[in-house]
Amino acid sequence: DTAVSQTPKYLVTQMGNDKSIKCEQNLGHDTMYWYKQDSKKFLKIMFSYNNKELIINETVPNRFSPKSPDKAHLNLHINSLELGDSAVYFCASSLASGGHNEQFFGPGTRLTVL
Amino acid sequence: DAKTTQPPSMDCAEGRAANLPCNHSTISGNEYVYWYRQIHSQGPQYIIHGLKNNETNEMASLIITEDRKSSTLILPHATLRDTAVYYCIVRASSNTGKLIFGQGTTLQVKP
Repeated sequence: DTAVSQTPKYLVTQMGNDKSIKCEQNLGHDTMYWYKQDSKKFLKIMFSYNNKELIINETVPNRFSPKSPDKAHLNLHINSLELGDSAVYFCASSLASGGHNEQFFGPGTRLTVL
Repeated sequence: DAKTTQPPSMDCAEGRAANLPCNHSTISGNEYVYWYRQIHSQGPQYIIHGLKNNETNEMASLIITEDRKSSTLILPHATLRDTAVYYCIVRASSNTGKLIFGQGTTLQVKP
């Protein structure tokens, strides 16, 4: 039973399109995250939600909008896709935001913008 | 959170211990050392964390120097499946959970 799952695994789309990536965790965790790993393999946090409340919002363009309908889901919607958005996006979850809670990562969604 | 420095790459023979160093000379008293790894094409995976005492779990051991300015992750009997990028991260327990990943060390375990 997958702990953190993401859909789709691969996403190929044209510039200017709008797309969404979904994430679900079945661990009963309160906190969820989105990370972006670029072509140089740098892994950087984008957003974090704790109990459906946004707690981390790094310097990310407004075109990226996370949505957490409930504690088990954190979706990422991207408007007007650009070439530079091509990357692997990882969702993660942890029991809570503070403390020493390990983060469990999903398998990633590889987004390619043509 | 304090910055960390790791060698970009290391090799290790299968079955031998892999010792991965990390420098964190600006670490604060309330900051912990965490290790994660990322096997090719997978999401990062938590390995271990510690404050000042040495820690061991089923995956690895973490040795932190007395001055806490550096640490070493030890994989006691490396296997080919341990080939991955290993990230040393320093963070305070009070922060929002944000993990700041550096470049990490690419460990290649060779037969």
